[in-house]
Amino acid sequence: SQQGEEDPQALSIQEGENATMNCSYKTSINNLQWYRQNSGRGLVHLILIRSNEREKHSGRLRVTLDTSKKSSSLLITASRAADTASYFCASQGTYKYIFGTGTRLKVLA
Amino acid sequence: EAGVAQSPRYKIIEKRQSVAFWCNPISGHATLYWYQQILGQGPKLLIQFQNNGVVDDSQLPKDRFSAERLKGVDSTLKIQPAKLEDSAVYLCASSFPRSSYEQYFGPGTRLTVT
Repeated sequence: SQQGEEDPQALSIQEGENATMNCSYKTSINNLQWYRQNSGRGLVHLILIRSNEREKHSGRLRVTLDTSKKSSSLLITASRAADTASYFCASQGTYKYIFGTGTRLKVLA
Repeated sequence: EAGVAQSPRYKIIEKRQSVAFWCNPISGHATLYWYQQILGQGPKLLIQFQNNGVVDDSQLPKDRFSAERLKGVDSTLKIQPAKLEDSAVYLCASSFPRSSYEQYFGPGTRLTVT
């Protein structure tokens, strides 16, 4: 399969805790993006990190990228119930985006 | 700014029937993507257009799936004939033509093949 792998597949945490999810990909990339998907709003772009960057922040989100290990991680700090969703990484080579299998995050109030 | 529009939102057909999905991207977005998302999996790229030319269709089952993008704007994706394993959500996305721009997704069409 060309899909990237994400772990864990599912994660359940209490509101206020941090959530970390990991993504591994298979080919060299130009950039890697993270998306959120919930039933209400469909797939929404969260953050992009370029291949020459190692870390990026956006609000409560922190993304790291290790191109030597072909892996990335997404950290959501101080989680809220509204963060409950599936999270996907999408690695982009020359043209094509390859999405991971996703992590289902549930934040308990 | 209007988002990516897709129709229909839901479709139920019997196997061996035909079905078509329509997508209208965000104005000015030259790149358009069709993805298939099977329940519990991530989206899988079926075809990518740059204006009305095909950039990548390596994962499109060409014996039954076809897609076109008229005048570099709207696009249709067709399945003929449908199989049970085609049951999925079909997502359309668009982006500016640079390789590092984010994709904007439509709400998707949920297809059920019985």
